[in-house]
Amino acid sequence: AQSVTQLGSHVSVSEGALVLLRCNYSSSVPPYLFWYVQYPNQGLQLLLKYTSAATLVKGINGFEAEFKKSETSFHLTKPSAHMSDAAEYFCAVSEWVAGTSGSRLTFGEGTQLTVNP
Amino acid sequence: DTAVSQTPKYLVTQMGNDKSIKCEQNLGHDTMYWYKQDSKKFLKIMFSYNNKELIINETVPNRFSPKSPDKAHLNLHINSLELGDSAVYFCASSQEGRGYYGYTFGSGTRLTVV
Repeated sequence: AQSVTQLGSHVSVSEGALVLLRCNYSSSVPPYLFWYVQYPNQGLQLLLKYTSAATLVKGINGFEAEFKKSETSFHLTKPSAHMSDAAEYFCAVSEWVAGTSGSRLTFGEGTQLTVNP
Repeated sequence: DTAVSQTPKYLVTQMGNDKSIKCEQNLGHDTMYWYKQDSKKFLKIMFSYNNKELIINETVPNRFSPKSPDKAHLNLHINSLELGDSAVYFCASSQEGRGYYGYTFGSGTRLTVV
């Protein structure tokens, strides 16, 4: 089964500083990878996804992520943090479920991003 | 024009009761899911349906019974609620099985069992 590890359950940055949220995956097949953001008391919003096309993926709100097969990583970055970026961020990998025609998203444990003024 | 809508948003109930959560998507997606988010915010899949057919049942107690009357709806019925069922339940949908176009999530139902 595929898995995702997010390094750092809490990340704190100053407004205007670089945001770097780390995600490593394990997969026996080329992965589909996703970053989702969850604001307090809200659902999950797709930030960006990698589905075997360009390795540098640009998403919404100025975020981007780079797929590095050699490092099995898919880190999320944003050049300049904004107060509105404070939220929980989830990395996820999609995989087929053996013996079925279905798939599932397997999530990392999440990283809480705090942005300090 | 909400893409994936769940009702209710909040649900407070006593142990032993039976409750249902409804989910509807207007995206024309073939696959729908239920995910559970626990108190530590960990997300785990519970069920997956493709065109009304159950595809995935992830070792969920049989007190939980999903029902899909058509491919736009996936409801979750929970019998004999327990304290440990308290969580946020998310419905989601995708256009094709592996989520090439992404998975769209509803805003969640916060279930509190007292």
